[in-house]
Amino acid sequence: DAGVTQSPTHLIKTRGQQVTLRCSPKSGHDTVSWYQQALGQGPQFIFQYYEEEERQRGNFPDRFSGHQFPNYSSELNVNALLLGDSALYLCASSGTGSFSRRNTDTQYFGPGTRLTVL
Amino acid sequence: GENVEQHPSTLSVQEGDSAVIKCTYSDSASNYFPWYKQELGKRPQLIIDIRSNVGEKKDQRIAVTLNKTAKHFSLHITETQPEDSAVYFCAASMGYSSASKIIFGSGTRLSIRP
Repeated sequence: DAGVTQSPTHLIKTRGQQVTLRCSPKSGHDTVSWYQQALGQGPQFIFQYYEEEERQRGNFPDRFSGHQFPNYSSELNVNALLLGDSALYLCASSGTGSFSRRNTDTQYFGPGTRLTVL
Repeated sequence: GENVEQHPSTLSVQEGDSAVIKCTYSDSASNYFPWYKQELGKRPQLIIDIRSNVGEKKDQRIAVTLNKTAKHFSLHITETQPEDSAVYFCAASMGYSSASKIIFGSGTRLSIRP
């Protein structure tokens, strides 16, 4: 049973560039959430995808966008990179986003992508 | 807005002693409270969670308590071991379904002294 996977592991970009990060959810999961974790801080919620749509969003600018594919995998895109975007980007998957099913809210994290912006 | 406060930020205990980490949350609609352990350079790992219809939950050396009235919840680790050294995050969400963002605390760095 494959867990949550993310790629790439590490990435170095310069200011103003664009980046795409990828996530494959745990087998059987259909909901993907993205978090940004700055050094020494807790993860901050960016957004969540279910049924290929963004369902919730945290306090992040429009430079942060995403996508979910029919196979439930997801991408996080960040445009016009700033130095402050340097962080560990974590993807988490969870059971089902269907509101008709409860107790499926446990989220499992991937290993993360370490983004460095120079 | 939604907020989770966690303290202490660092905690050092003697091996074999107990460790307690405390959190408070602001949104009274929160009903799901997971705890994650994150070792250096690794992903957060869920260690225990509790829902608002339960006041306490225990799993071997780890226990979590929840006081909904005061909007407090705590993690208790007994008989601490060196492998318990890590950063611990409390979190809260409106766990209606998977359509619930998790709001994390700022973390507690736990060190176990041999």
